[in-house]
Amino acid sequence: DTGVSQDPRHKITKRGQNVTFRCDPISEHNRLYWYRQTLGQGPEFLTYFQNEAQLEKSRLLSDRFSAERPKGSFSTLEIQRTEQGDSAMYLCASSLVMEGSEKLFFGSGTQLSVL
Amino acid sequence: GESVGLHLPTLSVQEGDNSIINCAYSNSASDYFIWYKQESGKGPQFIIDIRSNMDKRQGQRVTVLLNKTVKHLSLQIAATQPGDSAVYFCAEITNFGNEKLTFGTGTRLTIIP
Repeated sequence: DTGVSQDPRHKITKRGQNVTFRCDPISEHNRLYWYRQTLGQGPEFLTYFQNEAQLEKSRLLSDRFSAERPKGSFSTLEIQRTEQGDSAMYLCASSLVMEGSEKLFFGSGTQLSVL
Repeated sequence: GESVGLHLPTLSVQEGDNSIINCAYSNSASDYFIWYKQESGKGPQFIIDIRSNMDKRQGQRVTVLLNKTVKHLSLQIAATQPGDSAVYFCAEITNFGNEKLTFGTGTRLTIIP
């Protein structure tokens, strides 16, 4: 257990529905990342926060995707009008940037299946 | 565009032997590299990291080597154990502290008993 928790672990939804995932990072970590991973591929960056500020969003993150991190603690990732191509593992990671090192600690992910 | 890639998608090693997983990167500006291990159904787990001002770093049973001349990174695992079976990813950061981590495709390591 890395200390990063994600909920739910699995989500099955029908195309067109909205889904929301939650991530609780390690409490003293100031950065929080969202990645997406499909089978046989490495995680792809989606977005990240420094405290409550969203610093960068990937081009992969269409306008159907929105992420928030109110108060710089937990984060939510919402996908509106889901499509079958959204099926993937959504990984959250948190980190504490220190001089010379940034270790990302990942949660176990939320596996999304869009039918 | 710039990318992080791996030479071999799969690697099988006899238990007790040493294993070497290789990674090529193309962005010469990358200044921080990390190896992650991912077991089935779990998120990636940090193994070891190295800054670009170093060429070698050792951990417990693992060693990372960085060759900036040929833009090559390797992970050596000594005396492999069944628990080492997993997918291993190299990842890089360009402009450390200001950029996100970019992952390669991964190598599946299988330990043969």
